[in-house]
Amino acid sequence: QSALTQPASVSGSPGQSITISCTGTGSDVGSHTLVSWYQQHPGRAPKLIIYDVNKRPSGVSRRFSGAKSGNTASLTISGLQTEDEADYYCCSSTTSDTLLYVFGTGTRVTVL
Amino acid sequence: EVQLLESGGDLVEPGGSLRLSCVATGFSLSDHAVSWVRQAPGKGLEWVSSLSGYHGSAKYADSLQGRFTISRDNSKNTLYLQMYSLRVEDTAVYYCAKDYGDLRYFFDFWGQGALVTVSS
Repeated sequence: QSALTQPASVSGSPGQSITISCTGTGSDVGSHTLVSWYQQHPGRAPKLIIYDVNKRPSGVSRRFSGAKSGNTASLTISGLQTEDEADYYCCSSTTSDTLLYVFGTGTRVTVL
Repeated sequence: EVQLLESGGDLVEPGGSLRLSCVATGFSLSDHAVSWVRQAPGKGLEWVSSLSGYHGSAKYADSLQGRFTISRDNSKNTLYLQMYSLRVEDTAVYYCAKDYGDLRYFFDFWGQGALVTVSS
């Protein structure tokens, strides 16, 4: 079971909206709602920004939203801000007994 | 306040061994699963191993081929990752990450990471 597929990079201007896709299979993304998203700034640890497909932890901006359709999940950042420039990773639990979690390949978001 | 603090990262020669530690505060390792997730330089995140909270059962990524062992000391609320037969490709920052529940949920808290460099 390989990594979930994300675009390598996405860019947008301040104030715009961007969407990052995360494509898996019926054994991970498509099998349940346990999809999460993490933001990682350079040299920093990942930070949870979305869980259970579309829920935000306390303190995370409402500009971040998640969705899922079939084997593909997505993260939308609305009203893009300079501090949103970071790497973003999706993650899914799997039905495998030996691969509990699979991460996406990662997407670098650039604010133009 | 939940915190995870890793230590033990070092430079080690190929074939060597190393043990990472992760001290957890603000919650009990007996109540939540905690995992090791690694990130090779310039690469993405990769799940390595998890230890369930209640049962203490261990899970490992197949790619490790049995070279790593995850364990915990409940009295110290500390998670460990013992790594054997290290390879150059094991070079990475190793994060410990708390699961919201007891396996297969999501990682709600992360440590700052410990750098493991395998090189001769």
